Amino acid sequence: KNQVEQSPQSLIILEGKNCTLQCNYTVSPFSNLRWYKQDTGRGPVSLTIMTFSENTKSNGRYTATLDADTKQSSLHITASQLSDSASYICVVSGPGGSYIPTFGRGTSLIVHP
Amino acid sequence: GAGVSQSPSNKVTEKGKDVELRCDPISGHTALYWYRQRLGQGLEFLIYFQGNSAPDKSGLPSDRFSAERTGESVSTLTIQRTQQEDSAVYLCASSFRLVDTGELFFGEGSRLTVL
Repeated sequence: KNQVEQSPQSLIILEGKNCTLQCNYTVSPFSNLRWYKQDTGRGPVSLTIMTFSENTKSNGRYTATLDADTKQSSLHITASQLSDSASYICVVSGPGGSYIPTFGRGTSLIVHP
Repeated sequence: GAGVSQSPSNKVTEKGKDVELRCDPISGHTALYWYRQRLGQGLEFLIYFQGNSAPDKSGLPSDRFSAERTGESVSTLTIQRTQQEDSAVYLCASSFRLVDTGELFFGEGSRLTVL
């Protein structure tokens, strides 16, 4: 069964600090992994996409990594801001055919001033 | 419009009533998804439409739930005889599915409260 597990479930950090969110998956075959950010009361928005051949990708203060061998990904947030407070969702997709992405339950991040 | 549009944004109904939620996907997006998100929980897949193919209904929790989509346009999610456990935010997403890496673009959701 395809699964995506995220940790920690929730995280509280002080503004300006860094943090790393984890995602482990068992989805096979694998096509790509996306990290989405969901602000409270809003729909999720894609932050970054990782394909099989990519190890690291940055989007501003967000850096995602992928280890396709161990089926692990991380999202590192540098110099956190209050606006980073949100739920971060890891989503893994297979190639072609019946395309139902597998969603993690998300990590709730709270950044305090 | 430029994004996925959902209506109503909020719906309060009494137990036992039927409700209909609407989703307008981004023009040209062949794939459309419905998800349910209970308070403080992750997204739960409900149903997937891809072009004119038969929809994947494997996520619908009961026969009280149904959805329709005409071609590659508007979709409606109908919940019959609503129950209190149906209270949740219902999110719609669309994607240009012909590309494996197609990003899902979400609407703002329809928040359903069943009293």
